[in-house]
Amino acid sequence: GQQLNQSPQSMFIQEGEDVSMNCTSSSIFNTWLWYKQEPGEGPVLLIALYKAGKLTSNGRLTAQFGITRKDSFLNISASIPSDVGIYFCAESSNTGKLIFGQGTTLQVKP
Amino acid sequence: DAGVIQSPRHEVTEMGQEVTLRCKPISGHDYLFWYRQTMMRGLELLIYFNNNVPIDDSGMPEDRFSAKMPNASFSTLKIQPSEPRDSAVYFCASSLAGDEQYFGPGTRLTVT
Repeated sequence: GQQLNQSPQSMFIQEGEDVSMNCTSSSIFNTWLWYKQEPGEGPVLLIALYKAGKLTSNGRLTAQFGITRKDSFLNISASIPSDVGIYFCAESSNTGKLIFGQGTTLQVKP
Repeated sequence: DAGVIQSPRHEVTEMGQEVTLRCKPISGHDYLFWYRQTMMRGLELLIYFNNNVPIDDSGMPEDRFSAKMPNASFSTLKIQPSEPRDSAVYFCASSLAGDEQYFGPGTRLTVT
């Protein structure tokens, strides 16, 4: 079946550092989404990507999915303590369903 | 605008009892999704509706689980009878077109 692999599984960084996380797929998808989940809350949509190769930004966040449409990355610049959480990539199968990765846990040391 | 609303936020029940989780989607959204999240299995899609009609319920684990959407502004997920292994966080999400899904705060269910 379809699988999404996220890396790294977890990250522990110093405040102010830049962060990069990745997501790869065994299938081709035309829509990629990045979510953040904080403890006790539901996932929150950060960025939606609809065009391969196009860099999309949302504040300190930047994301893109590759021209092969099998991978995507999310970068966070100048991390701050409130960036702590679990980051999920998700793909749309155009059937209304999303497939989620297992998440990257980010911890930021002040 | 209000986001997706779920109730209750926490539910503790004994094995064998019926549990009903409730969801109010964002107004105007045509899609509604029910997910379950556990440490072991991550986020799992249980069922989703489009225009109040169930489209895919292949993720519903057993006949003990059922979901309804009687109108565009309300959905329920029912577990009867509940078992300890049903303990998880259950999320409802809604979407305008299926892709960008907006999640509620979740219901943390504990079955003892």
